[in-house]
Amino acid sequence: GDSVTQMEGPVTLSEEAFLTINCTYTATGYPSLFWYVQYPGEGLQLLLKATKADDKGSNKGFEATYRKETTSFHLEKGSVQVSDSAVYFCALSSPDMGRRALTFGSGTRLQVQP
Amino acid sequence: NAGVTQTPKFQVLKTGQSMTLQCAQDMNHNSMYWYRQDPGMGLRLIYYSASEGTTDKGEVPNGYNVSRLNKREFSLRLESAAPSQTSVYFCASSDPPGTYEQYFGPGTRLTVT
Repeated sequence: GDSVTQMEGPVTLSEEAFLTINCTYTATGYPSLFWYVQYPGEGLQLLLKATKADDKGSNKGFEATYRKETTSFHLEKGSVQVSDSAVYFCALSSPDMGRRALTFGSGTRLQVQP
Repeated sequence: NAGVTQTPKFQVLKTGQSMTLQCAQDMNHNSMYWYRQDPGMGLRLIYYSASEGTTDKGEVPNGYNVSRLNKREFSLRLESAAPSQTSVYFCASSDPPGTYEQYFGPGTRLTVT
């Protein structure tokens, strides 16, 4: 079945450092890929998405490129801020699932220190 | 426009008790979902409803029932709570079904003792 694997956290960075959170996936067909962010005490919010190979999703300084050849969708940001501290989830929506729901990775907690 | 709302925010139950988690959305979405979030496991789908009047099982449906009361509301019922159901429960909605962006509620933190 479909699955998403993320790097384990927590990831601790200093403010203005470069961020990479790795995400790889297994799916049949051509899934859509997403990054969701969960701030403390809140629900998940869509951060960015990519629906086909080589698409780049971007939002709030975060970027991720859909790499079909490596089945990856790594999240990057050039300069993190304390306000970026949250849990980040990589997810996919597979057409072979009839688009029923999202398959999530286990989440990566990011802690940014001033 | 409140988006997706869930009640209650917190709940403590004793083993064997029952309760219903409520979810409502005001975005006129057709599809609604219930997920549970456990540490180190991401979110797992419990049940979903592709449209009003339809429901279907997800990855972890045992011990739960759902009702799609109308287009706005999708409730999750625990008939006889067990400690293994201690979790954070999220409701979500989307339109078209299961595609692209899902909108999540703030969650219900349930503890079963």
